[in-house]
Formats: sequence, C-alpha cells, structure tokens
Amino acid sequence: DIQMTQSPSSLSASVGDRVTITCRASQGIAHYLAWFQQKPGKAPKTLIYDASSLQGGVPSKFSGSGSGTDFTLTISSLQPEDYATYYCQQYNSYPFTFGPGTSVHIK
Amino acid sequence: EVHLLESGGGLAQPGGSLRLSCAASGFTFSTSAMNWVRQPPGKGLEWVATISGDAGVAYYADSVKGRFAISRDNSKITLYLHMSSLRVDDTAVYYCARGGRGGYYGDIDYWGQGTLVTVSS
Repeated sequence: DIQMTQSPSSLSASVGDRVTITCRASQGIAHYLAWFQQKPGKAPKTLIYDASSLQGGVPSKFSGSGSGTDFTLTISSLQPEDYATYYCQQYNSYPFTFGPGTSVHIK
Repeated sequence: EVHLLESGGGLAQPGGSLRLSCAASGFTFSTSAMNWVRQPPGKGLEWVATISGDAGVAYYADSVKGRFAISRDNSKITLYLHMSSLRVDDTAVYYCARGGRGGYYGDIDYWGQGTLVTVSS
C-alpha cells in the first residue's frame, strides 16, 4: 500500500499569510493526487486534482504542485474561511490512501 | 448541480448488518464510478470501496473485504453499501463520493454530506 504523509500536522497562521502544506507518497504516484478541505462537522470539499488542476468553483488562491512523490498545496493569502483541515489523497493505485491531515488554525 | 444524499446510518450491534444508500442527482449516474469513504469520529479519512459505472468491477479496502459489499442500481440512480459482521471500529461517518474523472475511479470531485454509523452494544 502507498503511505501518504503530510507536514506539518498543524499550523497557526494569520489572515493574509501564505501557507504551504506538504504531502509525500511512499512511492511514485505520477500526478494522481488530490487535495481536500474539510471544516468541522462538514463533508470534505475537493480543491485540487491531478496534483495541480483546480476543481471548478474553487478560488485561485489555492494551488497545487508536484509529481512523483512530493507535492505541495499553497494558499496564497489565508482568509478566515480557509481555517480547516486539509487532506491529500493518492488515486494512482488501490487501495486509495489519504494523508493524516493538516489542521490550519488562527494565529 | 451534482447532489449526493446518503441515508441508512444509525446504531448497529457488533456482528450486525446495515445497508447505506446514496441517492444521486444532477449527473449521468450510470457512467460515473462511485466511492465510499469513511471517517471515524475525530480521525482522518479512509477509503472503503469503489464501483465502476456499469457495476462490472468493484474494489475494497482490506479492512472491509469480505464483510462489506458495494453495489448500485442505475435505474434507481442509487449507490449502496451493504455492511455485515460489523465491528466497533467500523463506527464512522460514511460518505459517498463521485469518482472517475479522466477514467481514474479514485479521482473524487463531489461528496455527499455523510451518514453516521455507530457500532456498539
């Protein structure tokens, strides 16, 4: 199985900050990686697919990059509505696996 | 607009059974792969199962293989998860999610709101 790790596990940031979250796969997954945002008590929401493609309706402040084993999610200017937990997921091979999540808190 | 609505969650006893449903609308269901993903209380996301649009193939996480069965009725535009031999660690919110963008079944674009399954005696 492909293991997904994320760093940091949590972070504190201020409104307007640029935030970067890293995801690493235990083996190469090409570009078959997605990023999701989840707020407390709500379903996940897809932000990025194919490592760098923006899901329809998602603001352009979110961007993704990477391929192979190392990936990043960047929020260019953090806003109050962006405080949430972010998960990466690989869909290159079964079983599909998720990272443990990165919780973004208000500083 | 894509809409997925899960139902069927609730309290079940260890060793018991439950069937979850996911009613879909707003897209061509019969050509879309579908997934179940679960989330134990306070924990992260775990993929459970995937089924192709024509129900020809299905895949399962090892943790549920042999106990859960994913199925679909394209005439009723509904996805199912048949859960048996339930264990306490199956307790979670279960989400249905559409996949299959670009032919990759695990490429999820839309999620339902989830249904809570609690396994307890």
